[in-house]
Amino acid sequence: QKEVEQNSGPLSVPEGAIASLNCTYSDRVSQSFFWYRQYSGKSPELIMSIYSNGDKEDGRFTAQLNKASQYVSLLIRDSQPSDSATYLCAVLNTDKLIFGTGTRLQVFP
Amino acid sequence: DVKVTQSSRYLVKRTGEKVFLECVQDMDHENMFWYRQDPGLGLRLIYFSYDVKMKEKGDIPEGYSVSREKKERFSLILESASTNQTSMYLCASSLAGGRYEQYFGPGTRLTVT
Repeated sequence: QKEVEQNSGPLSVPEGAIASLNCTYSDRVSQSFFWYRQYSGKSPELIMSIYSNGDKEDGRFTAQLNKASQYVSLLIRDSQPSDSATYLCAVLNTDKLIFGTGTRLQVFP
Repeated sequence: DVKVTQSSRYLVKRTGEKVFLECVQDMDHENMFWYRQDPGLGLRLIYFSYDVKMKEKGDIPEGYSVSREKKERFSLILESASTNQTSMYLCASSLAGGRYEQYFGPGTRLTVT
């Protein structure tokens, strides 16, 4: 079992819809979780971090964490074509970040 | 704003050459990291460093070495480049302990022919 799993997609949503990206992790003791956005040919950009169970909102982005079920999700409200990118989930494991392979999101007009 | 810079965006080298990739961060971060990213394999950690002159092996250190002589600078060295080291190389930095948010440089796309 991979340590951090994401559906590779693509996830296609119409402009203005809510995009829901999911991530599961295997290490129960993980405490810190991150979402990165990566445009094609570019480096990952940190967009959200979450450390406690529940929801954390930042603009159009909401991160959700459920440690009991070992999943993290990212909701993007009012999706825009400019949100089209690969979204990487990362989990802190002792002293290293473990990355999922990413979910490709496509937002069509 | 955190700024992480890498010495080259694109690099083409021949098999057997020694290759240096430089990374500099301007936020006084203690931790620095080198990753490579390949399609379908995601980000894989090569080496990391918690402090000057300290280094730790990541998941795929074979064929690579690193140097950290100053806090802001972390170099990745390919001792004898091979075609299977063709990849996107990404440097990142973070503060020590706690929340561990990592910030990435723009990446270096290395092609070994």
